[in-house]
Amino acid sequence: DAGVTQSPTHLIKTRGQQVTLRCSPKSGHDTVSWYQQALGQGPQFIFQYYEEEERQRGNFPDRFSGHQFPNYSSELNVNALLLGDSALYLCASSLWASGGQETQYFGPGTRLLVL
Amino acid sequence: AQKVTQAQTEISVVEKEDVTLDCVYETRDTTYYLFWYKQPPSGELVFLIRRNSFDEQNEISGRYSWNFQKSTSSFNFTITASQVVDSAVYFCALSDPHNYGQNFVFGPGTRLSVLP
Repeated sequence: DAGVTQSPTHLIKTRGQQVTLRCSPKSGHDTVSWYQQALGQGPQFIFQYYEEEERQRGNFPDRFSGHQFPNYSSELNVNALLLGDSALYLCASSLWASGGQETQYFGPGTRLLVL
Repeated sequence: AQKVTQAQTEISVVEKEDVTLDCVYETRDTTYYLFWYKQPPSGELVFLIRRNSFDEQNEISGRYSWNFQKSTSSFNFTITASQVVDSAVYFCALSDPHNYGQNFVFGPGTRLSVLP
């Protein structure tokens, strides 16, 4: 049973460029959440997708956008990269459940370095 | 607003010692969920436990145990007879299902080093 997968594992970009990160959820999961983890800090919630719609968004600017596909996989796009966007980007998958709280399972992350 | 505090930034112990990682949370809601995750150097967050706010029973899983005290808003994690493989960053997280979208709030993490 494949867990959450993310690609690429590492990425180096320069300021002002755009980047796309990809995530495939754990088998059977329908919800994908994205987190940004700066060095030495806890993960910060970016947004969550279910049924191909953004359901909730954290305190991140519009430069951060996403998409979910019919097969539940997801992309995170970041435009106009800043040095401060350098971080580990984590994808988590779960089952959408109204009234309950399902555990989120995380992928290995994509390490983004902005020069 | 929800908040998770992990006051211990770094802890070092010698192998076979017991160690407790503290977690204090803030929420206005009566229904919520608490989690612990382990992040080894590889970077992937590994799920350890989920606890809902109505279940205050302590839980033990092998060398791991968790003490949930609603009265003090704490959810502490104890590793008994620590091993070198326990070295990692440990995160406590809070989730409120009334937040549309199941958003998780993570603490800053505690870096545990187990020395041989």
